[in-house]
Amino acid sequence: DTGVSQNPRHKITKRGQNVTFRCDPISEHNRLYWYRQTLGQGPEFLTYFQNEAQLEKSRLLSDRFSAERPKGSFSTLEIQRTEQGDSAMYLCASSLAHLGSDPKPYGYTFGSGTRLTVV
Amino acid sequence: AQSVSQHNHHVILSEAASLELGCNYSYGGTVNLFWYVQYPGQHLQLLLKYFSGDPLVKGIKGFEAEFIKSKFSFNLRKPSVQWSDTAEYFCAVNAENQGGKLIFGQGTELSVKP
Repeated sequence: DTGVSQNPRHKITKRGQNVTFRCDPISEHNRLYWYRQTLGQGPEFLTYFQNEAQLEKSRLLSDRFSAERPKGSFSTLEIQRTEQGDSAMYLCASSLAHLGSDPKPYGYTFGSGTRLTVV
Repeated sequence: AQSVSQHNHHVILSEAASLELGCNYSYGGTVNLFWYVQYPGQHLQLLLKYFSGDPLVKGIKGFEAEFIKSKFSFNLRKPSVQWSDTAEYFCAVNAENQGGKLIFGQGTELSVKP
């Protein structure tokens, strides 16, 4: 178990550029989540996948944000036309749900995050 | 909408003092409850969780939490803190019909003086 891996660790980009982050969850986990954390705040939910299906998107996820999990394994989060307000730590997490029988999120584990700075 | 409230933004204690961090949530249904810790420069680590059963939950590093359903609370405790407990602590709630999404409190920064 290598945990949840996120790349890159840090990203500095100019306003207006597009950025993409990658998350590799724990291999046996079927759920993958993206959160955003700004300084002094708790993480805020952005979106989550169950296998390859994106099941929920927060209102925080504007149309400049898109997330994919094409094969139900790793996921990418893309931000188009970045703005200074997008500067934050983007966290990925994964968990295991026994679908249909037990809705509890087992093994909920966070990655180290990708820190985005938009200049 | 669900929300999680952590009463203290910053707590300062001396080593060996007892710790209690408050957490209240607003949701009337079945919940799963979590406490995470974030040491400086590190990622969120799970301290303990409550899914069901005994409302007194023991976690890592000597931490425990008590779920009081009638008070919608899940307070974190440790009888004797150490300097190494200096970190930020987050309470989080998952409503069981919401697919594993966690709602976090704003966090409590704990500073332990040696």
